Amino acid sequence: TQLLEQSPQFLSIQEGENLTVYCNSSSVFSSLQWYRQEPGEGPVLLVTVVTGGEVKKLKRLTFQFGDARKDSSLHITAAQPGDTGLYLCAGDAGGGAQKLVFGQGTRLTINP
Amino acid sequence: GAVVSQHPSRVICKSGTSVKIECRSLDFQATTMFWYRQFPKQSLMLMATSNEGSKATYEQGVEKDKFLINHASLTLSTLTVTSAHPEDSSFYICSAPGVFPEAFFGQGTRLTVV
Repeated sequence: TQLLEQSPQFLSIQEGENLTVYCNSSSVFSSLQWYRQEPGEGPVLLVTVVTGGEVKKLKRLTFQFGDARKDSSLHITAAQPGDTGLYLCAGDAGGGAQKLVFGQGTRLTINP
Repeated sequence: GAVVSQHPSRVICKSGTSVKIECRSLDFQATTMFWYRQFPKQSLMLMATSNEGSKATYEQGVEKDKFLINHASLTLSTLTVTSAHPEDSSFYICSAPGVFPEAFFGQGTRLTVV
């Protein structure tokens, strides 16, 4: 069974600070995805990383896929209160058709 | 972009009754859909894979007789929670594959069993 370990699970920081969320596995994934979920809603895709070593940027968010495709990170620069939410990493669980295994999630709170 | 719609968004039912949740792909066909369950402050756990025209595939530990899945058309999968109990209260989310490797998620259904 492929598992994704996400850390930290809870993070509360002040506006303007930087942060990094990690998603690690002992398994190789063909791709990893990062989602953001608001309370009472389904997850919304932020980015997909496919190539080992790949770095993608989405405004103040930087996503990296490890060279061995076993881990990924999400770095937020100058966090803002609007970044508050649940961030989830997910990987293709195999068997095609986008069956996903999720990390435990990181509940991020940015305090004004 | 592709949209997956879930209905209802919230439902409250009495213990012992059954509840049906619908998941529709609005502008594309989905031969496969996935059902996830999310407890408060936890992540999504895959329950089952819904296959159009054939039986669903359930993950280990998920009772297939309790969580009935029907994928009768290329745009609709339903999850029926039978004989619901308070411990079945949860947030249920469906997804459908998009262009590999992405998936589209429904808005989720919050089920409360009283």
